[in-house]
Amino acid sequence: EDKVVQSPLSLVVHEGDTVTLNCSYEVTNFRSLLWYKQEKKAPTFLFMLTSSGIEKKSGRLSSILDKKELFSILNITATQTGDSAIYLCARAGGTSYGKLTFGQGTILTVHP
Amino acid sequence: KAGVTQTPRYLIKTRGQQVTLSCSPISGHRSVSWYQQTPGQGLQFLFEYFSETQRNKGNFPGRFSGRQFSNSRSEMNVSTLELGDSALYLCASSENGERGETQYFGPGTRLLVL
Repeated sequence: EDKVVQSPLSLVVHEGDTVTLNCSYEVTNFRSLLWYKQEKKAPTFLFMLTSSGIEKKSGRLSSILDKKELFSILNITATQTGDSAIYLCARAGGTSYGKLTFGQGTILTVHP
Repeated sequence: KAGVTQTPRYLIKTRGQQVTLSCSPISGHRSVSWYQQTPGQGLQFLFEYFSETQRNKGNFPGRFSGRQFSNSRSEMNVSTLELGDSALYLCASSENGERGETQYFGPGTRLLVL
């Protein structure tokens, strides 16, 4: 069974801190790794990573994939209270259409 | 483009009843995937539909079923509800459901079974 493991499961920081969220996955038929942010309801898409070593950036958020070591990290610099959310990583791959396998999520709380 | 929409947003049912949830994908997207999210199990894949056909199914009992219409709108049905079915049900759409395509999620339907 495909497995995705995120760490830490929860994190509490103060505004302005930098955080690094981790995601490791199993390799079988890997296709891509996706990061989502979930606040109240719908997970919103952040990044999709398919190639090793290429950093994706969007404002204060960035992410990179290491296909050799089978992990990805999501960095958030200069955190703000609005970054408080659950961050989910998901793996697409295998022979399955339309299926993402999600990690447990990291609950990030940013205090003012 | 309008995003993925789901109705209803909230539902309260009692054990033994059945429920139907609806999902309208982003215009032009033909693949719809359904997920169940609970605090204990996280986000788990239920099934995926493309061109009115179920192409993939997760590890859920047969009480969970779905269908897709010719306009790509999808419904999922849960029969004989159990307390453990209380969850947030999310649908997501993508262009073709191909491995590696980005899926975009709707706001979810919060189901409470009493």
